[in-house]
Amino acid sequence: GAVVSQHPSRVICKSGTSVKIECRSLDFQATTMFWYRQFPKQSLMLMATSNEGSKATYEQGVEKDKFLINHASLTLSTLTVTSAHPEDSSFYICSARDYGRTEVTDTQYFGPGTRLTVL
Amino acid sequence: DAKTTQPPSMDCAEGRAANLPCNHSTISGNEYVYWYRQIHSQGPQYIIHGLKNNETNEMASLIITEDRKSSTLILPHATLRDTAVYYCIVRGRFTSGTYKYIFGTGTRLKVLA
Repeated sequence: GAVVSQHPSRVICKSGTSVKIECRSLDFQATTMFWYRQFPKQSLMLMATSNEGSKATYEQGVEKDKFLINHASLTLSTLTVTSAHPEDSSFYICSARDYGRTEVTDTQYFGPGTRLTVL
Repeated sequence: DAKTTQPPSMDCAEGRAANLPCNHSTISGNEYVYWYRQIHSQGPQYIIHGLKNNETNEMASLIITEDRKSSTLILPHATLRDTAVYYCIVRGRFTSGTYKYIFGTGTRLKVLA
């Protein structure tokens, strides 16, 4: 249980185009999902918290107009990188919290990640 | 936010126990300790979590000191597939109706044949 998928796993795009990444919780409902980015040999950095049916909350320094997040259902959140540039090339990872479990913790389950390369 | 401190790297012989320490001296009374690992180019994998009692599951054991200021993740019989970066996380600040994770730099565990 508690499986999170991401699509695509890898994407290459030209500078100036937009790229959408999907994050799905496959066997549980996730009212909250998180988006992280990770540069080579660095740790994960939280970009935003996505709540189903409401606007995402972005971390300081993350441009909300560049990284559009939509969490339209209890199992799907999307991250759109708009007008991508080479500096946006990174490993993007989503996670989801399983509110259905009875224990009161905040365990997050992570997707496999999406590697974005902007040429 | 509670911060965690981990050694940057460790080696362990295959078949031996791997003991990964973590300091979280500013942890609050209701904050859980979570452990994840990240194998190269994959998303983090959940290992175990605990509040104050020692915990064990099929992957690992978690030992939390009585004052809760540090913990140790134990992989009882390390294999080459356990080579990964291990993250110790203490639940972070509460915003937008949920707690966030603040990832530190983790420990890069290398299991040697």
